[in-house]
Amino acid sequence: LAKTTQPISMDSYEGQEVNITCSHNNIATNDYITWYQQFPSQGPRFIIQGYKTKVTNEVASLFIPADRKSSTLSLPRVSLSDTAVYYCLVGDTPSGTYKYIFGTGTRLKVLA
Amino acid sequence: DADVTQTPRNRITKTGKRIMLECSQTKGHDRMYWYRQDPGLGLRLIYYSFDVKDINKGEISDGYSVSRQAQAKFSLSLESAIPNQTALYFCATSDSGAGRAGELFFGEGSRLTVL
Repeated sequence: LAKTTQPISMDSYEGQEVNITCSHNNIATNDYITWYQQFPSQGPRFIIQGYKTKVTNEVASLFIPADRKSSTLSLPRVSLSDTAVYYCLVGDTPSGTYKYIFGTGTRLKVLA
Repeated sequence: DADVTQTPRNRITKTGKRIMLECSQTKGHDRMYWYRQDPGLGLRLIYYSFDVKDINKGEISDGYSVSRQAQAKFSLSLESAIPNQTALYFCATSDSGAGRAGELFFGEGSRLTVL
C-alpha cells in the first residue's frame, strides 16, 4: 500500500511562501498525488492534484520530481486563513481499485 | 444545500447502544466512503463502496458495519457503541469517471460521543 510521510507541523509568518514536502516511496505507476486542506471540525477539501512535473492553480503549486517518490506543495504568500492541516494522498491501487488513505497530515500555523 | 449531507451532526449515546450515521449525496457519484477522525489525528478509512453492490473494509472496520441503500445513500452503523468510538465521522464521495482522479468531496461531519 502506498504510504505517505509528512512533517507533523510547521510555522510560518504571513506573506511568506510555505513548502510542505511529502514522501511516497511506494507510489504506483497509475497513482496520482493529491493534497487536501482541513480546517477544524470541517471535512478536508481538495487543493491540488498532479501526476508528474509541476501543476499550478489559483491557490497552490505542486512540484513532483521525475522519480515521483516525493512531492512538494507550495503555498505562495500565506495568510492567517491558511492555518490548517494539509494532507498528502496517493491513490492506493491494489487490484485496480482506489482507496484513499490519509496520514496524520502537516499542521501549518501562520503567525501574524 | 450541501452536496454531501450527514445526519445527525452531533450525537451523544451510551455504551452498548446501536447507532446509525447516515450520509446522502446529490453529486451523482458512484463511490462513497466513511472516515473517522480522532482529536489531533488524521482521517482513518472505515469502509468504502464503489457501487451499490460493492462494499469494502478499510483500515479500521472492526466494530462498524455499513449499508449502501442506494447510489446516493451510505450509512454507518455501530452495533454496540463503546467509548473509544467517540470521534468525528466523515462521509465522502468521489466519481470514478472524474477528470481529476478520484477527488473526494466531504460532508460536514458527525460528532459522536459514547459515554
